[in-house]
Amino acid sequence: DAKTTQPPSMDCAEGRAANLPCNHSTISGNEYVYWYRQIHSQGPQYIIHGLKNNETNEMASLIITEDRKSSTLILPHATLRDTAVYYCIVRSNFGNEKLTFGTGTRLTIIP
Amino acid sequence: DTGVSQDPRHKITKRGQNVTFRCDPISEHNRLYWYRQTLGQGPEFLTYFQNEAQLEKSRLLSDRFSAERPKGSFSTLEIQRTEQGDSAMYLCASSWGQGNGEQFFGPGTRLTVL
Repeated sequence: DAKTTQPPSMDCAEGRAANLPCNHSTISGNEYVYWYRQIHSQGPQYIIHGLKNNETNEMASLIITEDRKSSTLILPHATLRDTAVYYCIVRSNFGNEKLTFGTGTRLTIIP
Repeated sequence: DTGVSQDPRHKITKRGQNVTFRCDPISEHNRLYWYRQTLGQGPEFLTYFQNEAQLEKSRLLSDRFSAERPKGSFSTLEIQRTEQGDSAMYLCASSWGQGNGEQFFGPGTRLTVL
């Protein structure tokens, strides 16, 4: 799986949009971008994934650049409960089962 | 609650002892995964099962580690002759289907080896 690069930490004011960037310049054509988050003392939680089109669900939006070398996870109205470590993961959809986590971005929502 | 459960949540043991952890996946999920997480790091893949078959093992899974999923439902992870370096959070996840579906994680078992 391709490697991802994320900033180690970010702050965001409560109620504002949190934009978390991820670089994955070596991504290949059959690899998806997944986002998980891990709130303190809990297991990781799936947020969203996409291939090349932008995706939106009830939790977040995922914006993938046209060349697919980077993406941004957007939490539209951040709350204190969104404070967590966010992991960007690139994963093939052909027989590769495991998730390869990096060190993620520690997002802190400021009241 | 129908999520992934793990037992125990915390385990403290002395070096050299054997420990066993249990994971109960979401009902009818055919895939089950074990990960290990040390402080400040993301989870690292250890092994996974499709039904009762263990299909992949990481090089992290030394000979002291063994995992089973005897009836394709719950799974156990045993560590023999524990070492201080085994201290970590052990996470279990499950998913459904043939493709790379969403993995649902349990709360983890925190192991401390003294």
